[in-house]
Amino acid sequence: EAGVTQFPSHSVIEKGQTVTLRCDPISGHDNLYWYRRVMGKEIKFLLHFVKESKQDESGMPNNRFLAERTGGTYSTLKVQPAELEDSGVYFCASSQGHTDLTFGAGSRLTVL
Amino acid sequence: GQSLEQPSEVTAVEGAIVQINCTYQTSGFYGLSWYQQHDGGAPTFLSYNALDGLEETGRFSSFLSRSDSYGYLLLQELQMKDSASYFCACILDDKIIFGKGTRLHILP
Repeated sequence: EAGVTQFPSHSVIEKGQTVTLRCDPISGHDNLYWYRRVMGKEIKFLLHFVKESKQDESGMPNNRFLAERTGGTYSTLKVQPAELEDSGVYFCASSQGHTDLTFGAGSRLTVL
Repeated sequence: GQSLEQPSEVTAVEGAIVQINCTYQTSGFYGLSWYQQHDGGAPTFLSYNALDGLEETGRFSSFLSRSDSYGYLLLQELQMKDSASYFCACILDDKIIFGKGTRLHILP
């Protein structure tokens, strides 16, 4: 069984540019989460999809962040325009239930 | 607001036992999970408690007291490969939130 796949693994962009991160969950997993980890801090919740619907997006920092999950399969997280404080590792995770998440390897974003 | 508190760092000796505590303040609580993350890696699921009491999975055990809003992860027969960060996570109505993690250092 393929795991959760994230792309790119690392992105370096300048402030003001746009970046789109992609997540392919495990096939059949209805739940898809996005998290961000800044070094030394918590794994911060961003949002939760159930199939193609946003179940909870209370963790999205502001309207520069846009997440989509068209067709209930893969998801994208776009940051536009990127700011310095957006740097961190963005993790995607998927699950069938709620008890155990399978995480992807993460996308490290560096904003210069 | 909703929060989870766990110690930032814990140090233990190889072969020993260590306990990592987690207290939480949340609404719509369903259960508590634990995850392990090695440097540069992805968090991986360790255990889940929905009911009060102890759940054992090999060398790892996890405990929950819903009335005290408290749980812990117990690691026995510590091995060097257990050096990692450990996160407690609360399963809520519509999301799963994580603590800041506990960095476990293991001395030979």
